Amino acid sequence: AQKVTQAQTEISVVEKEDVTLDCVYETRDTTYYLFWYKQPPSGELVFLIRRNSFDEQNEISGRYSWNFQKSTSSFNFTITASQVVDSAVYFCALRGGGGGNKLTFGTGTQLKVEL
Amino acid sequence: GAVVSQHPSRVICKSGTSVKIECRSLDFQATTMFWYRQFPKKSLMLMATSNEGSKATYEQGVEKDKFLINHASLTLSTLTVTSAHPEDSSFYICSAPWTGGKTQYFGPGTRLLVL
Repeated sequence: AQKVTQAQTEISVVEKEDVTLDCVYETRDTTYYLFWYKQPPSGELVFLIRRNSFDEQNEISGRYSWNFQKSTSSFNFTITASQVVDSAVYFCALRGGGGGNKLTFGTGTQLKVEL
Repeated sequence: GAVVSQHPSRVICKSGTSVKIECRSLDFQATTMFWYRQFPKKSLMLMATSNEGSKATYEQGVEKDKFLINHASLTLSTLTVTSAHPEDSSFYICSAPWTGGKTQYFGPGTRLLVL
């Protein structure tokens, strides 16, 4: 069975602070894919990143960066110099390497960025 | 721009009526689509996998006769909530895999309120 754990239910930061959202996963598949999605108050899920299990290179996209560590089964997400517009719920998700394309979601982390 | 659309975005109905929600992939074909349900401040729960040309695959605990899914074409899947009751009130989201299944894009969601 696959499982995604986002232990942080809610995080509050002040604008311009850096913040890291944790994601720990469990899977027996040797090939798998990890995702991060942003869900603003409007409700629509916004795709942020996909990482496959064979690519452990960290990625940076503007103020966003991701740290994939297979040894600890973690795929953490850091926002640098946070802004109020970053306020949203962030979901980490896992898709196994087999067919079906099913995503297993974590419970999400509510990020609140205040002035 | 959005690659998956949903209609309607919001619906209020009386208890006992049926409600149909449409999910369309824009500019790409989707032989598979997924339907999720999300309660307030909760994660996404996969309800069923919609398969073009065949029956939907339902997750454990999801009533097939309650939530009818029809994948009418390669760009359209519909979810019908039959004889809706207040406990069916929720946020329903569809998704479709793209680029060889490696990424899933989500529709903007449909908020259903059953009075």
